[in-house]
Amino acid sequence: AQKITQTQPGMFVQEKEAVTLDCTYDTSDQSYGLFWYKQPSSGEMIFLIYQGSYDEQNATEGRYSLNFQKARKSANLVISASQLGDSAMYFCAMREPDTGRRALTFGSGTRLQVQP
Amino acid sequence: DTEVTQTPKHLVMGMTNKKSLKCEQHMGHRAMYWYKQKAKKPPELMFVYSYEKLSINESVPSRFSPECPNSSLLNLHLHALQPEDSALYLCASRGRLDSHEQFFGPGTRLTVL
Repeated sequence: AQKITQTQPGMFVQEKEAVTLDCTYDTSDQSYGLFWYKQPSSGEMIFLIYQGSYDEQNATEGRYSLNFQKARKSANLVISASQLGDSAMYFCAMREPDTGRRALTFGSGTRLQVQP
Repeated sequence: DTEVTQTPKHLVMGMTNKKSLKCEQHMGHRAMYWYKQKAKKPPELMFVYSYEKLSINESVPSRFSPECPNSSLLNLHLHALQPEDSALYLCASRGRLDSHEQFFGPGTRLTVL
């Protein structure tokens, strides 16, 4: 079975600073995918970034980067130059193995608050 | 159009009511999902439809009944719900078989009185 662990219930960061949100995972599968989603108070899940288990380079999308350390089974999200609009809940998720369903298993989430 | 729409945004219902949640996407995606998210918890998978066929039911009570009339539309029929079913219900869709991203709708906030 897959498991995603986010150990930081809440994080504070000053505007314009960088912040790292931790995520560790456990799986016996060789092929898997890791995601980060942002959920504002409105409720919508916004896709941020994806890392495949065979991707050799860390994924980057604008101000978001994923620090993928396969041996340590960690996939931390780095947000550079934080903005007030980054305040939200952040979920790390893992895609199920290639069975066709490809549903997501989510971690418990980290609430990020960006302070001016 | 990379949008998944859900209606209604909010729904309040009594335990004896019958209601339906609707999800729609026009991206040509062939896999659609229902997730349930309780307050301060992560989303949890309820149902998966692949090519309009129910792929998996994650042991969800029968008072929740999914329906996929066509490749663009996904419904969740609600009947005799309990107050503990109050949650945010999220719909998502996924594109090609090798696609990884799931696009989520804005969700329906359900309150059962």
